[in-house]
Amino acid sequence: EVQLLESGGGLVQPGGSLRLSCAASGFTFRSFAMSWARQAPGEGLEWVSSISTDGLRTYYADSVQGRFTIFRDNSKNTLDLQINSLRVEDTAVYYCAQRSVSGSFYFNFWGQGTLVTVSS
Amino acid sequence: QSALTQPRSVSGSPGQSVTISCTGTSSDVGGYNYVSWYQQYPGKAPKLMIYDVTKRPSGVPERLSGSKSGNMASLTISGLQAEDEADYYCCSYAGTYTWVFGGGTKLTVL
Repeated sequence: EVQLLESGGGLVQPGGSLRLSCAASGFTFRSFAMSWARQAPGEGLEWVSSISTDGLRTYYADSVQGRFTIFRDNSKNTLDLQINSLRVEDTAVYYCAQRSVSGSFYFNFWGQGTLVTVSS
Repeated sequence: QSALTQPRSVSGSPGQSVTISCTGTSSDVGGYNYVSWYQQYPGKAPKLMIYDVTKRPSGVPERLSGSKSGNMASLTISGLQAEDEADYYCCSYAGTYTWVFGGGTKLTVL
């Protein structure tokens, strides 16, 4: 059974930093590209970032480019998101998602999410 | 990277059919056959329901179907059941390993 367990969320002041982590199990982690998406309170989903299977290629939404960095460790089956220069509008539940296999573009499985609150 | 447009809410009675629209542009919905749909219950993780415009993952009932015409995609749920009451999000690949979601549609089963 695929499991994705996010952690690292919390309350942070504007301008602060956090590192989110996603522990993956139940599948061959190194074979799947991975992504982060987020959902502000009462709002819709927003794609945030994706990373290739080998970690060498990363992609970001315009709204987070230059502030967020996605990482993966295939030896530990973990996906991380370093988020810097946080803004109030970054407040959201952040989800880790397993991307589809090569040849298509969708999100197979999602974790339960971790809440990031940016407030002074 | 503008969000896809979905109706805020739709409703239907048990047994009826409802269709949720998802309007994008030629850079996303119209440009690729990679539209997916996700169901989300309050406080829960999204769940994949449709991918590649029309395909259903294993375990998703045949009552759900997807389609696309031009820059608009649609999700149709026939034979509505109480368990279908949830939020539904469309998503489209937008090129260069980027994606765009819709704003979500709340489905109410009357």
